[in-house]
Amino acid sequence: AQKVTQAQTEISVVEKEDVTLDCVYETRDTTYYLFWYKQPPSGELVFLIRRNSFDEQNEISGRYSWNFQKSTSSFNFTITASQVVDSAVYFCALASNDYKLSFGAGTTVTVRA
Amino acid sequence: GAVVSQHPSRVICKSGTSVKIECRSLDFQATTMFWYRQFPKQSLMLMATSNEGSKATYEQGVEKDKFLINHASLTLSTLTVTSAHPEDSSFYICSAPWWDRGRRGAFFGQGTRLTVV
Repeated sequence: AQKVTQAQTEISVVEKEDVTLDCVYETRDTTYYLFWYKQPPSGELVFLIRRNSFDEQNEISGRYSWNFQKSTSSFNFTITASQVVDSAVYFCALASNDYKLSFGAGTTVTVRA
Repeated sequence: GAVVSQHPSRVICKSGTSVKIECRSLDFQATTMFWYRQFPKQSLMLMATSNEGSKATYEQGVEKDKFLINHASLTLSTLTVTSAHPEDSSFYICSAPWWDRGRRGAFFGQGTRLTVV
């Protein structure tokens, strides 16, 4: 069975602070995919990143960066210099080759001006 | 633009009535689509897998007779909530995986917020 754990339920920061969201996963598959999605109040899921299990390179995209470590089964997400528009619920998810996603519980990020 | 279109985005219905939600892949064929449900302030949970040309497969605890899924074509899957009750009020969202020349991805629809009164 696959499992995704996002231990942080809520994070509140002041604008321009960095915020790191933790994600730990469990799977028996050797090939799998990890995702991060942003869900603003409108409900729509905004795709942020997908990472393959065989690609452990970290990635940076603007103010977003991701740290994938297979040794600890973690796929953490950092927002640098947070902005009010970053306020949302962020989900980490895991999928096998069938792309059937298992989501974590989500972390609500509130960025205060 | 969105490559998976879900309609309607919001619906309010009376208890006991049925509601149909459509999920279309706009520029690719989807032999499989997934339906997820999200209760307020909770995570997304897979409800069922919609398979073109065959029966849907449901996750444990999801009533197949209540949540009817029809994958009528390679670009359309529908979820019908039959005899809806207030406890069915939720956010429903579909997803379609795609494969193309070694590349993979999954697109989500915009979601449907169902309120049963």
